[in-house]
Amino acid sequence: EADIYQTPRYLVIGTGKKITLECSQTMGHDKMYWYQQDPGMELHLIHYSYGVNSTEKGDLSSESTVSRIRTEHFPLTLESARPSHTSQYLCASSEHPFMDPEAFFGQGTRLTVV
Amino acid sequence: AQTVTQSQPEMSVQEAETVTLSCTYDTSESDYYLFWYKQPPSRQMILVIRQEAYKQQNATENRFSVNFQKAAKSFSLKISDSQLGDAAMYFCALHSGANSKLTFGKGITLSVRP
Repeated sequence: EADIYQTPRYLVIGTGKKITLECSQTMGHDKMYWYQQDPGMELHLIHYSYGVNSTEKGDLSSESTVSRIRTEHFPLTLESARPSHTSQYLCASSEHPFMDPEAFFGQGTRLTVV
Repeated sequence: AQTVTQSQPEMSVQEAETVTLSCTYDTSESDYYLFWYKQPPSRQMILVIRQEAYKQQNATENRFSVNFQKAAKSFSLKISDSQLGDAAMYFCALHSGANSKLTFGKGITLSVRP
């Protein structure tokens, strides 16, 4: 069982609200990822981090932002939620790529913006 | 740049039969990892099987095995004795190079007929 946690699991929120999706891992992994996935569809990488104070934008442009102040924590923030942000957000982590690039995934947050 | 292609969006298999899911990839790196991940409906993404490129021998994990054709850049997953619990979305993924991202294919939805 992977030790990576996402909260909340489900979130319904009104347009214009600020939200933060939490992701924490207890495995001491350096690399962390955020993916966006519509149900039954492909994963799109939106952010990743190589370690503390390192963040990079992914392949899919996103209005969200991320931070990496602690190794174990990689929150994603939307300053002003819109219906187009409705999706599932998956967090993942892996050891340093030199060691093992296998990614472990959280259970995901299903976000609905009304 | 690295790419992963899964050209079959859906497949169906009879329970207890064998099914093969296809994946092709492209990378300029000589050292890389390939993965198959399983995403059951509304459940967490988990690793099914992995293959290091430098290993000639095809990986096997119980009923799951791969056919890794390095020259052809092909990485197919064979599921033997299919079970109802194998019904899920399956993603092929590639990690090449120390600073690379984990790149996923579009996924394939596998259904298992009782």
